[in-house]
Formats: sequence, C-alpha cells, structure tokens
Amino acid sequence: SSELTQALSVSVALGQTAKITCEEDNIGGKAVYWYQQRPGQAPVVVIYRDDNRPSGIPERFSGSNSGNTATLTISGAQAGDEADYYCQVWDNGMVFGGGTKLTVL
Amino acid sequence: EVQLVESGGGLIQPGGSLRLSCEASGFTFGHYWLHWVRQPPGKGLLWVSRVNSDGSKTDYADSVKGRFTISRDNAKNTLFLQMNSLRVEDTALYYCARETSGSGYYYDSWGQGTLVIVSS
Repeated sequence: SSELTQALSVSVALGQTAKITCEEDNIGGKAVYWYQQRPGQAPVVVIYRDDNRPSGIPERFSGSNSGNTATLTISGAQAGDEADYYCQVWDNGMVFGGGTKLTVL
Repeated sequence: EVQLVESGGGLIQPGGSLRLSCEASGFTFGHYWLHWVRQPPGKGLLWVSRVNSDGSKTDYADSVKGRFTISRDNAKNTLFLQMNSLRVEDTALYYCARETSGSGYYYDSWGQGTLVIVSS
C-alpha cells in the first residue's frame, strides 16, 4: 500500500512561489490529487490527475508528477492560500499524505 | 448545489456503537460512489470506507474492517456508517465525500463532518 511523504510545513513570502512536495517510490506512475484545507473547513480539491485544475481554482495553482515526487506549486502566494495541503492517490483505497501546513509570511 | 450533511456523531464509551448518516442533495445520488473519510483532532485525513453507486460493493481500511459497515439508501439519498466496537483511536471528525465521476479517483464534494469522540 502507498505511503505518501510530505513535509510538515512550508513557508513562503507573500507573492512568492511555494512548492509542496509529495514523495513515494514511482509516484510518477500514479495519478496524484491535491486538496487544500483551510482551518475549520472541509478539504477542497485544487489539482486532479497530476496537473489539472478544477473550475474555480485560481491559475496560480499548478501540479506536476514525475519519478518519485509530485509537486504542488502556488505561484504568487496570497494570504488566503495559508492552509493545510494534502496529496492523495488511489491504491486499493484512498491514500493521503500526512499534510503540509503552508504559512504565507 | 451539491450538499452533504453528516449527523450522528457524539461522545461514546470504548466498545460502544454509533451510526453516522450523511444526507445528500443537489445531485443524482444513485450515480456516485460515496466514501467516509476521518480526521483525528489536529491530524491528517484518513480514508475509512467506500460504497459503490448501488450499494453492492464496499471497501474498508484495515483499521476499521470487521467493525464498521458502510451502506446507503438511494431512495432516501442517505449514506450510513455503522460503527461498532469503537476504540479511543476512532476519535475523529468524520466526513462523507462524493467520489467524482469520470475524472479519476478523488473527491469533488465533502460534507462539513460530524465529530465522534470515544472516551471513558
């Protein structure tokens, strides 16, 4: 069964680019999904199938997936992007990474 | 507008049982796979269980297999989670979530969750 590894926290200056990674051996062979969870709220998908953005998600959110690392990139981070971010794959069940807390300074 | 509203959580002693419900509206309920996902206080997301669109197929995380039962009533647009032999480590916010149709294995809608606290 998959085990997805995420950094506990990432900090980014306002307006700069944040990169949040999700690591697993050969994760590039799986479809990866990313969720944003603001405090006290349910998660919301921000990237599906590696690099696709749902309608309503700002263009500053993008994703990539290759080799052993999937990456969520937030270009021009805003204060409202401060949240927990989770990666997810399907492997005989939904498997989530441990989550990364993004702080916008 | 898609809505998922969970209920049934509460404080329960170890070894006890609870039945969670999730009432859905705003979409054709019987067309979607539905899941339960939980989040222990201050921790990350954990998948619990899923049921297919007509209720004939179910899957469970190893941590709940044999103790929890997922089911659905498509006539009442309601998803259930029967939780037996509850343990302290089952304490969490329980979300119901709709698996998207056709774009991969992910959730496109979530409820706001119902809190289960297992404690003596």
